Amino acid sequence: EVQLLESGGGLVRRGGSLRLSCEVSGFTFSNYAMSWVRQAPGRGLEWVSSIFGSGAGTYYADSVKGRFTISRDNSKNTLYLQMSTLRAEDTAIYYCAKQPGSGSVLYWYFDVWGRGTLVTVSS
Amino acid sequence: EIVLTQSPTTLSLSPGERATLSCRASQSINIYLGWYQQKPGQAPRLLIYDASNRATGIPARFSGSGSGTDFTLTISSLEPEDFAVYYCQQHSNWPPRITFGQGTRLEIK
Repeated sequence: EVQLLESGGGLVRRGGSLRLSCEVSGFTFSNYAMSWVRQAPGRGLEWVSSIFGSGAGTYYADSVKGRFTISRDNSKNTLYLQMSTLRAEDTAIYYCAKQPGSGSVLYWYFDVWGRGTLVTVSS
Repeated sequence: EIVLTQSPTTLSLSPGERATLSCRASQSINIYLGWYQQKPGQAPRLLIYDASNRATGIPARFSGSGSGTDFTLTISSLEPEDFAVYYCQQHSNWPPRITFGQGTRLEIK
């Protein structure tokens, strides 16, 4: 069974830092691009960042570029999101999501999601 | 940034009825559009990718159509479990600048 389990969320002061983790199981992690998608309380979905299976390519939404860093450790089947200079508007549930397709076929959709971890930035 | 506008904001229907949800892009996105369903307290679920392809395990009552700037998600006959919020998502840029629509809430009439 494919599973994604996020951790690392919590309450942090404005300007602070936090690192989220997403441990996966049930598929060959290194074959798939992964992403982070967030959802502010009561709001819609916002793509945050994506990374290729090899880790060679990383992409960010303009709202987090320069403040967040996505990475992965394929030996540990774990995806990370290092968040710094946090703002009140970063308060959200952060979902880890798998992208379908592998190898040379890459789809920029999200076919498996974790349950999310809540990040709250206090002012 | 490509903006996706979903309509209506809320759709009130009864089980057994047909639901038609729309998503309009601010510029052409070819067929690079997906649809998700989200129920309260749950993560989203991928329903449709590349405008008209059903994701694995998605019932045949869900169908997608469209290309360019106008897209539609149709649920042919609503089941009680279909009442949820639906989001569209595009990825036509390179490097990727993925955006979602603001959502359509499908509620029981």
